[in-house]
Amino acid sequence: AQRVTQPEKLLSVFKGAPVELKCNYSYSGSPELFWYVQYSRQRLQLLLRHISRESIKGFTADLNKGETSFHLKKPFAQEEDSAMYYCALSALGAQKLVFGQGTRLTINP
Amino acid sequence: EADIYQTPRYLVIGTGKKITLECSQTMGHDKMYWYQQDPGMELHLIHYSYGVNSTEKGDLSSESTVSRIRTEHFPLTLESARPSHTSQYLCASSERTGKEYNEQFFGPGTRLTVL
Repeated sequence: AQRVTQPEKLLSVFKGAPVELKCNYSYSGSPELFWYVQYSRQRLQLLLRHISRESIKGFTADLNKGETSFHLKKPFAQEEDSAMYYCALSALGAQKLVFGQGTRLTINP
Repeated sequence: EADIYQTPRYLVIGTGKKITLECSQTMGHDKMYWYQQDPGMELHLIHYSYGVNSTEKGDLSSESTVSRIRTEHFPLTLESARPSHTSQYLCASSERTGKEYNEQFFGPGTRLTVL
């Protein structure tokens, strides 16, 4: 069975500080991992995916298969980063997503 | 404009009523999905469809049913609403191509309250 765990429901950091949102997964096969984000009064949208290996809005995430983790990181948080963040997993070729519980990130001025 | 629409956005209804949550997309996507999300909890896939006349149950058991008669339309129906159905329902769609995974685009959601 596939499972995604985000251990922090709430995370609060100051503007300019580094931020790391944790995500751990459980899956025996080769997963595809994603981060989705929902800003206030906006829809859920894709932030980044591990296969792209890209930085979006200053965020990066590295898939660590040994630790089964896909933590989201940003070196310097900005107020506009305040949002709900969901880690999600798709089994290879499955075309379905399994979501974590989400982490509400608040950036304090 | 290409988009995915959900109506109604909010619905408060009494127990026992039949309801249909509408989802339409003008993005030309073949795949569509319904998720259920309780406050502060993860999204759970309850139904999905890979094309016309194709519907499958998701990972979370649901008393709702869906249909896919047209590519752009994927309504969800509850024959007899109960308070346990109170939740937010999110519709999503994605392309069907040779890629292993395609980004899912989400609608604004319907917040359902059953009294």
